[in-house]
This record gives sequence, structure tokens and C-alpha cells, in this order.
Amino acid sequence: NAGVMQNPRHLVRRRGQEARLRCSPMKGHSHVYWYRQLPEEGLKFMVYLQKENIIDESGMPKERFSAEFPKEGPSILRIQQVVRGDSAAYFCASSPQTGTDTQYFGPGTRLTVL
Amino acid sequence: QKEVEQDPGPLSVPEGAIVSLNCTYSNSAFQYFMWYRQYSRKGPELLMYTYSSGNKEDGRFTAQVDKSSKYISLFIRDSQPSDSATYLCAMREILTGGGNKLTFGTGTQLKVEL
Repeated sequence: NAGVMQNPRHLVRRRGQEARLRCSPMKGHSHVYWYRQLPEEGLKFMVYLQKENIIDESGMPKERFSAEFPKEGPSILRIQQVVRGDSAAYFCASSPQTGTDTQYFGPGTRLTVL
Repeated sequence: QKEVEQDPGPLSVPEGAIVSLNCTYSNSAFQYFMWYRQYSRKGPELLMYTYSSGNKEDGRFTAQVDKSSKYISLFIRDSQPSDSATYLCAMREILTGGGNKLTFGTGTQLKVEL
């Protein structure tokens, strides 16, 4: 049973470009969470999604960031017009049907903005 | 004041030592308490989770929760060089829309020396 998959593992963008980060949850998991880990800081919750629904986005910056989890395919975290401060590791986690269960994390995508 | 406080270390101990890692928290909405281990450039890996006050043991690891003091600990017995990693405490609260959200400490970097 494959774990949570994230790609790309490393992403380099220039300021002003768009970054798209993908997350495939564990098989049988329908709840996806995105976290951001800035250098020297802990992981910060960004958004919680179920299929086709954003349930809680209280940790998402108000501008330039969006997330989706379509009926088919992976969850996408999209960052428009990236700035240097967006450089961080972005982790996706998934949990089973109930949503209250343990979250299992992927390996992360390391975004570097030049 | 941060919701979760954790000493970032680094903490360096000799092989075989008992390691004590601690976190304090301020949010009474936290219901579950977890410890994750994160190796460099990897995603967090769940080590232990607890709900009630008291101790929970799993092999060389013991998690301790004191809800009245809002204090949690992780003890590692007979520490090994392979335990060298960053240890993150995480607190879980249930979201009103379902699902859950984790709030992490900043992590304690542990190095076990030969």
C-alpha cells in the first residue's frame, strides 16, 4: 500500500511564476491536508479538503494561494505570482474516511523561489 | 504567545542515554497529542499518539500527557544513533466542519552520538 505521494519533490520558480504542487493521498483516504514548513519553523496548517470541497482554509494566505481536490486526480496546491517568501517545504497529509483519524504525511515538495 | 511551545535544541546525548522531549500548550481545544519524527529532508512520521492524561508505552518510547498542566513529554530509552532526527509534538483539534487540524511545535533536533 503506497503512502502519500507528492510531486514534484523539488520545484524551482522565478519570482512572478506559478507553482503547482500535487498530492495523491493514501489509497482509501478521502481527506487531504496541506501544511507549510518555513526554515526554522514548525509545520503550519494551511487547508483541509475533501473530494470537491474545501472544508477549512483558515491557514491559507488570503491572496495568491488556492487548493483543490477534484473528484478524480490528485489534490493541487497552487501558488500564483510566487515571491521569495514562499520558499518552503510544503507537506500534504491524508486521513481515512472519518476525517478524525491520524494524518499520514507525504515526503514534501521543496519550493525554491529565485 | 504560541499555542504550542517546544525547545528547538539542538540536544546532543551519548548512545544509550534516556532522552526527554517536552512541549507545553495553551489551547484547551486540543484533544489528541502526537509525536512525529522527521529525518532531514523527509516528511514527518507518526511515532505515538495519546488522548488521555497518563503514560503510553511503545517499545523504547513512552509518551506522557498531563492535561491539567498542559504539558506533554516523549521519553526515549536506550537511545540509538538512528534516533537522530527532529522530533515534533503535535496537538489535534476537531474542526467544526469535520476533520481535524494539527498544530505543531517547532521541533527539537536530537543527535545521538556514538
